[in-house]
Amino acid sequence: DTGVSQNPRHKITKRGQNVTFRCDPISEHNRLYWYRQTLGQGPEFLTYFQNEAQLEKSRLLSDRFSAERPKGSFSTLEIQRTEQGDSAMYLCASSLDGSGAASYEQYFGPGTRLTVT
Amino acid sequence: KQEVTQIPAALSVPEGENLVLNCSFTDSAIYNLQWFRQDPGKGLTSLLLIQSSQREQTSGRLNASLDKSSGRSTLYIAASQPGDSATYLCADNQGGSEKLVFGKGTKLTVNP
Repeated sequence: DTGVSQNPRHKITKRGQNVTFRCDPISEHNRLYWYRQTLGQGPEFLTYFQNEAQLEKSRLLSDRFSAERPKGSFSTLEIQRTEQGDSAMYLCASSLDGSGAASYEQYFGPGTRLTVT
Repeated sequence: KQEVTQIPAALSVPEGENLVLNCSFTDSAIYNLQWFRQDPGKGLTSLLLIQSSQREQTSGRLNASLDKSSGRSTLYIAASQPGDSATYLCADNQGGSEKLVFGKGTKLTVNP
């Protein structure tokens, strides 16, 4: 399978704990995105990397959230001191960096569903 | 701030019917518009991408159009099948930003 992969697929944690999610993009894609989706809503943008550089962050990404892409390949999203409001599906996407339509189309992974109890 | 609206929120049709899903956006300075399909509890599957210079894209039974002047895009599904049942989301991004701004989606049910 050469698509975007995310691990774990599900995570249940207690309020106040830290959690970390991993995203592996499509191998030739150097752009990587994180989104968050709550029930009945469309995904909301969190942050974006080009290679290892984090180029854009949403105001939704509070100080408790941190994302990294250390070698320009996989990325991790960490949430510290989780709150019940963090319960959501966390989606990762990737795209090419180039010209033409193919460079803009974002391909999404299956998501990590976080439940904070 | 760009806002994307999808109407209707839910749609139920009999199998075989042709249907149109609507997407409107407030700022016409979009760069691309992308349509996705999402099955319950799953990630998003890209269906079609229309660049701002294009008017439409087609893939199989799907046709998406873009009218920047009116701030609208439509997704046409021909000869609907029960397997088309899913939530359909549209999203756009504007020049200077890589982020996609999504609508809330239209939940489609195709009844056999």
